Amino acid sequence: SQQGEEDPQALSIQEGENATMNCSYKTSINNLQWYRQNSGRGLVHLILIRSNEREKHSGRLRVTLDTSKKSSSLLITASRAADTASYFCLFSGGYNKLIFGAGTRLAVHP
Amino acid sequence: SAVISQKPSRDICQRGTSLTIQCQVDSQVTMMFWYRQQPGQSLTLIATANQGSEATYESGFVIDKFPISRPNLTFSTLTVSNMSPEDSSIYLCSSTNAGTGYGYTFGSGTRLTVV
Repeated sequence: SQQGEEDPQALSIQEGENATMNCSYKTSINNLQWYRQNSGRGLVHLILIRSNEREKHSGRLRVTLDTSKKSSSLLITASRAADTASYFCLFSGGYNKLIFGAGTRLAVHP
Repeated sequence: SAVISQKPSRDICQRGTSLTIQCQVDSQVTMMFWYRQQPGQSLTLIATANQGSEATYESGFVIDKFPISRPNLTFSTLTVSNMSPEDSSIYLCSSTNAGTGYGYTFGSGTRLTVV
């Protein structure tokens, strides 16, 4: 399957700092989603941005989408230790095809 | 990373019937999950399939409606019971090995239409 790329692969920050994760893809998309995975759990949906949207906010999360560059970023502001998790972008290029990024492991230190 | 074979890829079913979806992983994995993606919506986690014990269901999903089996570390099934048109969705299984942080694999999905 065609896998998207995320960077950085790992990010370590202090509480209160902002965390930015980037995701790039190669196909045309209908929407792009960001998910979180706590250790040993399934993916939890965070936010969805459609291909005709450029920016979306949800609480401390801000997602941008640049379809010309085929990239998206997830910003977590004022991070907390509880934000420690892996974060994945997921693309929907068609009704029955999902492509996911490799993930960014975020560690937020108290 | 593991490769998952999911079947059927699609089905059209009559309301009131049940459909069992299978996922076979090509290697042993510690975690398997089942998701639903309704039309135009994002993925929703249905449950975690636990090997040798009852699945752990998320809020809004119950065992009577979505019984899950996981007899070993490479195989799981999800049954959608007593189907109604509202159950028309894509159903996906996924797997990961706990502790890797990523390396998360999805099945190709089952597109279910209930008529």
